[in-house]
Amino acid sequence: ELKVEQNPLFLSMQEGKNYTIYCNYSTTSDRLYWYRQDPGKSLESLFVLLSNGAVKQEGRLMASLDTKARLSTLHITAAVHDLSATYFCAVDVTSGTYKYIFGTGTRLKVLA
Amino acid sequence: DGGITQSPKYLFRKEGQNVTLSCEQNLNHDAMYWYRQDPGQGLRLIYYSQIVNDFQKGDIAEGYSVSREKKESFPLTVTSAQKNPTAFYLCASNPGRIRNQPQHFGDGTRLSIL
Repeated sequence: ELKVEQNPLFLSMQEGKNYTIYCNYSTTSDRLYWYRQDPGKSLESLFVLLSNGAVKQEGRLMASLDTKARLSTLHITAAVHDLSATYFCAVDVTSGTYKYIFGTGTRLKVLA
Repeated sequence: DGGITQSPKYLFRKEGQNVTLSCEQNLNHDAMYWYRQDPGQGLRLIYYSQIVNDFQKGDIAEGYSVSREKKESFPLTVTSAQKNPTAFYLCASNPGRIRNQPQHFGDGTRLSIL
C-alpha cells in the first residue's frame, strides 16, 4: 500500500526563522506535488517536481525531490505570518492511472 | 476564466437521504477526482475518472457513487449507506494524459448531517 507521510504534522515557528517540512513516500514515483491550503479553503498548487534532484523556489519557499530516498522537502526561509497554512505533498502513482496520494499535511503557524 | 465550480457550498443531509454534489470544469481536462477531507486530516480519494463514461473507485468509495456522462461534469452522490458523511468534499481535475500537471481544485462543498 502506498503511504505518503509528512513530518512534522504541526509546526509553530517564529517569524524570521527557517524550517523544513519532510515528505516521505513508500513507492517508486518521479512526480511530486506541493499544495497549500488556508483554513476552510481549497488547495492551491505550489510546486511540481518532475525528476530526481529537481529544485523549485518561489519566494520564501523552496522544494526539492530525491527519488532515490523517496523524499521531498519544503524549506521555509525567514518565515512570515502570511505563510501560515497547511501544506500537503502528493505523489503521482505510476501505475498507468492518473491517481494521486496525498500526505497527512503539515499545519504551519508562524508567530509574529 | 477557466476553473472548477462546485455547488452547493454548504449542504445538509437528513438521515436516509441521498444527496448529490455538483462538480463542473471548463478546463477541458480529461481526468476528474473526488476527495473527502475530515477536520485536521489529509485528503482521501473517493472516486476518479480518466475519461468520459469511465471511473474507478478510490480508497473510500463505499457509500458513494459517481457518473461521468460529460467531460465537464463529475457529480458525486452521497448515499444513505454512508453513515458518517460529515466532511469537506473537494473536486479536482487535471489534463490526464500530460502527467506532469498539478491538480486544479474547486472551492469545496461542506456536508453536514441534520
